[in-house]
Amino acid sequence: GAVVSQHPSWVICKSGTSVKIECRSLDFQATTMFWYRQFPKQSLMLMATSNEGSKATYEQGVEKDKFLINHASLTLSTLTVTSAHPEDSSFYICSARRAVNTEAFFGQGTRLTVV
Amino acid sequence: AQRVTQPEKLLSVFKGAPVELKCNYSYSGSPELFWYVQYSRQRLQLLLRHISRESIKGFTADLNKGETSFHLKKPFAQEEDSAMYYCALSGQGAQKLVFGQGTRLTINP
Repeated sequence: GAVVSQHPSWVICKSGTSVKIECRSLDFQATTMFWYRQFPKQSLMLMATSNEGSKATYEQGVEKDKFLINHASLTLSTLTVTSAHPEDSSFYICSARRAVNTEAFFGQGTRLTVV
Repeated sequence: AQRVTQPEKLLSVFKGAPVELKCNYSYSGSPELFWYVQYSRQRLQLLLRHISRESIKGFTADLNKGETSFHLKKPFAQEEDSAMYYCALSGQGAQKLVFGQGTRLTINP
């Protein structure tokens, strides 16, 4: 199957700083990438849907200025958590798919801890 | 709006017993439905999708539009089936993929 890689796998940052998480599709071109947030023992909450070369579509309640998403190429999307606070600590997961309604492949996730 | 509901957070059955994980959805159009599985310490992966109508690892799922359900079934559970199972929905022609709350399945020996 296709591979999606996230980097870093875990990161600790100080409150008030920004942190960038990368999501790469290694062996296929992803027209769409998704960013999810997962709280402990809970499901994946969709944060935004990102299409290459266009602005991301954010879900209701997700702050666009807080969670900056860039999908600059068909193999790379980035999520930047700006001015991070402890409540932003979570597990962030990206997924990517070639086309609408095809299988979505998932990254391994990034554990963000804001101290 | 797209919504997926998995009513059971936890499900425990004995090895060899039948398994059914429930999934109900809400969507006004024609949905695309998926089951994803996450084994311990692994990433999410696709188990099956309704349009392929295939059986994967002994699991099947039938889309029932009248009941807006997509329950996952297996006649004889195996210990290696223990995992977290997520039902997901993508609206036809729509971009986003929305997940249910997930069901943790435990198969007891």
